[in-house]
Amino acid sequence: NAGVMQNPRHLVRRRGQEARLRCSPVKGHSHVYWYRQLPEEGLKFMVYLQKENIIDESGMPKERFSAEFPKEGPSILRIQQVVRGDSAAYFCASSPQGFEAFFGQGTRLTVV
Amino acid sequence: AQSVTQLGSHVSVSEGALVLLRCNYSSSVPPYLFWYVQYPNQGLQLLLKYTTGATLVKGINGFEAEFKKSETSFHLTKPSAHMSDAAEYFCAVRENKGTGKLIFGQGTTLQVKP
Repeated sequence: NAGVMQNPRHLVRRRGQEARLRCSPVKGHSHVYWYRQLPEEGLKFMVYLQKENIIDESGMPKERFSAEFPKEGPSILRIQQVVRGDSAAYFCASSPQGFEAFFGQGTRLTVV
Repeated sequence: AQSVTQLGSHVSVSEGALVLLRCNYSSSVPPYLFWYVQYPNQGLQLLLKYTTGATLVKGINGFEAEFKKSETSFHLTKPSAHMSDAAEYFCAVRENKGTGKLIFGQGTTLQVKP
C-alpha cells in the first residue's frame, strides 16, 4: 500500500513566483490536512479538506495561500507570489475518518 | 484552547541510557495524545497514541508513554537508547472539536552519544 505521496520533495522558487505543492492521500482516505513547519519550530496546522470541500482553513494565511482537494486527483496547496518567509517544510497528512493521520515526507520549499 | 508543551528542546543521552522526553498538555476534555518521530528530511512517523483505556501505551521501537491525567502529562520513555533513536520527537494532541487536526508541541531533538 502506498502511503501519502507528496511532490515535489524539494522546490526552489524565486520571490514573486508561484509554488504548487501536491499531496496524494492514502488510497481510500477522504480527509487531508496540511501543516507547515518553519525552521526550528513544530508543525502548525494550516487547512483541513474533505473531497471538494474546505472544512477548516483557520491556520491559512489570509492572502496568497489557497488549497483544494478535487473529486479526482491530488490535493494542491498553492502559494502565490512567494516571499522568503514562506520557506518551510509543508506536510500533508491523510486520514480515513478524521482520526489517525498518516503523514507524507513533506515538500521543502526554499524561496530565493 | 488546547495546547502542548514539550519541556527541553534538546535532550542528550548516552547509548544504553534511559530516554525521557517530557510532554504536558492542556485540554478541557479527555485528550487523544500522540507521539511522532521525525528523522532528518523525512516526514512524521507515528510512535504511539493514547485514546482511551490503558494509560500505559506501548509503541514502536521500544518506546512507551504513560498518560497521567492528574499531571496532564504524556511523557515518552525508552529504557535503553540506541544510536538510531537520534531524531526529533513531537508530542501532539488531537483537537476535540471534531476536525481531527493535531496541535503539536515545539519538538525535542534527541541526541544519542556513543
